[in-house]
Amino acid sequence: DAKTTQPPSMDCAEGRAANLPCNHSTISGNEYVYWYRQIHSQGPQYIIHGLKNNETNEMASLIITEDRKSSTLILPHATLRDTAVYYCIVRDRPSNDYKLSFGAGTTVTVRA
Amino acid sequence: DAGVIQSPRHEVTEMGQEVTLRCKLISGHNSLFWYRQTMMRGLELLIYFNNNVPIDDSGMPEDRFSAKMPNASFSTLKIQPSEPRDSAVYFCASSSRATNEKLFFGSGTQLSVL
Repeated sequence: DAKTTQPPSMDCAEGRAANLPCNHSTISGNEYVYWYRQIHSQGPQYIIHGLKNNETNEMASLIITEDRKSSTLILPHATLRDTAVYYCIVRDRPSNDYKLSFGAGTTVTVRA
Repeated sequence: DAGVIQSPRHEVTEMGQEVTLRCKLISGHNSLFWYRQTMMRGLELLIYFNNNVPIDDSGMPEDRFSAKMPNASFSTLKIQPSEPRDSAVYFCASSSRATNEKLFFGSGTQLSVL
């Protein structure tokens, strides 16, 4: 029962912005959008999360559409080290929902 | 901050043997998660602890699997007896309200049961 839909893979040129889409058309009002990534042979790593407003941190920016049915994770200047599987996860506030359910994610390959 | 520490990094064992995976939480974290990752099933939540108490073990596949938190900073996941289909990467992760419930994952244990 997937709450999100992501493309299975995408390529990106080193130094360019990588825009990763995610559809979550059934998202409810209390649910947040989280992004994690998993570099090969490592555990998943938190990137960013948001509810309604766009968010930015040192790793990425998160753009959420006004109807909240989709979002885009932006890696502003992709490097080879950004090659990873990126997971978009919809989750209620942690006090209501402790579970983080990972789907198949998007395999992003950054090419030199 | 050393992060979540898992040991061993790799484990190779024979079918029927007991396997114990270990996890040290980040200091101050009070939630602990065990996940399993395979190519076929992806990342699956096995069990969740909060304040040392198991809250949800619905993901534990069989009675052969058991998990404990003997204290606030340490957890074990035991498989007895192990079977080839248990071969996977096992991750533990910890979180706390202070970090807005972001999960911090360890590097995982690659388990191979022959």
